[in-house]
Amino acid sequence: KQEVTQIPAALSVPEGENLVLNCSFTDSAIYNLQWFRQDPGKGLTSLLLIQSSQREQTSGRLNASLDKSSGRSTLYIAASQPGDSATYLCAGSGAGSYQLTFGKGTKLSVIP
Amino acid sequence: DADVTQTPRNRITKTGKRIMLECSQTKGHDRMYWYRQDPGLGLRLIYYSFDVKDINKGEISDGYSVSRQAQAKFSLSLESAIPNQTALYFCATSDFSGGQNTGELFFGEGSRLTVL
Repeated sequence: KQEVTQIPAALSVPEGENLVLNCSFTDSAIYNLQWFRQDPGKGLTSLLLIQSSQREQTSGRLNASLDKSSGRSTLYIAASQPGDSATYLCAGSGAGSYQLTFGKGTKLSVIP
Repeated sequence: DADVTQTPRNRITKTGKRIMLECSQTKGHDRMYWYRQDPGLGLRLIYYSFDVKDINKGEISDGYSVSRQAQAKFSLSLESAIPNQTALYFCATSDFSGGQNTGELFFGEGSRLTVL
């Protein structure tokens, strides 16, 4: 059974700092990977999607990469802002699977 | 208006009651999903549907049923609610991107259910 670990579980950084969130899968055969943001009491907002033929995606200050050999993904946030404070979740699916397996998230706090 | 709308947003009910959570979407996606989120457990898939005639069980379907009334509507029912079904429930949709993957998922705002 696929399991997803997100490290760290919580992170607090000063505004302006660059940071990296990590996600690892027990089964490295990830076909599809998606990073989400969740604000307290809210739904999940899709940030980046890395599909089977891709290794990296960028959107504004966010960059996500996937190393399929190790089953690890990183989300890089540049020049963090207080508005980036939220819980970030990664989720992946394997080839032949239509189910996303989610990590438990990293709770990010950006201090002004 | 939100692309994926869930009703009700909050519901408190008693053990043994029947509850229905509804989801409608305007994204035109074929695929719809129901997840539940519990503190410390993350999101887990309950049911998913690839079209009106296709319903599939997810990881934790026991105690739940679903109905896909139309391409845009997917409802989740708890026939006899119990306290451990207290959770935040999410509906999601994705497009059909072909091949063996889920496509990009888009979530509703969630329905918070409390079973006393």
